[in-house]
Amino acid sequence: DAKTTQPTSMDCAEGRAANLPCNHSTISGNEYVYWYRQIHSQGPQYIIHGLKNNETNEMASLIITEDRKSSTLILPHATLRDTAVYYCIVRVGTSGTYKYIFGTGTRLKVLA
Amino acid sequence: DTGVSQDPRHKITKRGQNVTFRCDPISEHNRLYWYRQTLGQGPEFLTYFQNEAQLEKSRLLSDRFSAERPKGSFSTLEIQRTEQGDSAMYLCASSTGGVEQFFGPGTRLTVL
Repeated sequence: DAKTTQPTSMDCAEGRAANLPCNHSTISGNEYVYWYRQIHSQGPQYIIHGLKNNETNEMASLIITEDRKSSTLILPHATLRDTAVYYCIVRVGTSGTYKYIFGTGTRLKVLA
Repeated sequence: DTGVSQDPRHKITKRGQNVTFRCDPISEHNRLYWYRQTLGQGPEFLTYFQNEAQLEKSRLLSDRFSAERPKGSFSTLEIQRTEQGDSAMYLCASSTGGVEQFFGPGTRLTVL
């Protein structure tokens, strides 16, 4: 059963920030939010993850609301190579037996 | 090390035939996962190994499906008496139990 909902598709101009929203209103207190992306014909690639606090790495930033019911992935300066399907994921389970529950993803198209 | 590899990349079979897929994880990754991805959907968890032990199976994994990971290295996923509904991308991922799962490129199965 999917634990996340995302818009089906979004467009973003090259060089602008891409903000991808995700709702996970049924998330439990110890379940992490992960983001992966999938470029056509490839396996998903890790982007970032978080529990409560906002996170930033070299690829993106993750903003999680205080109630943890939603989050936003931010790609600060989108490039054409960022065109992909972006999955918001809830990681469920306990230590050693984690698994990912994927949503249906957002198809991001970066426009020149 | 070049990442998770899967073989074959594409498989076309006739309904009723048996097929077997192979996944070679990143060396020293003791955890291995299989997912299934149908067109337009996110990956769905099928099963999980820690070393050679199969610790969890999804209800999606019917009795026609079997997975093994002898000696805790590579893994195979076999589908017996294939049906058209088995047509999908089968993804393998591996991890050390840490932050992220590393996905392979997938095996695309088409059942005619």
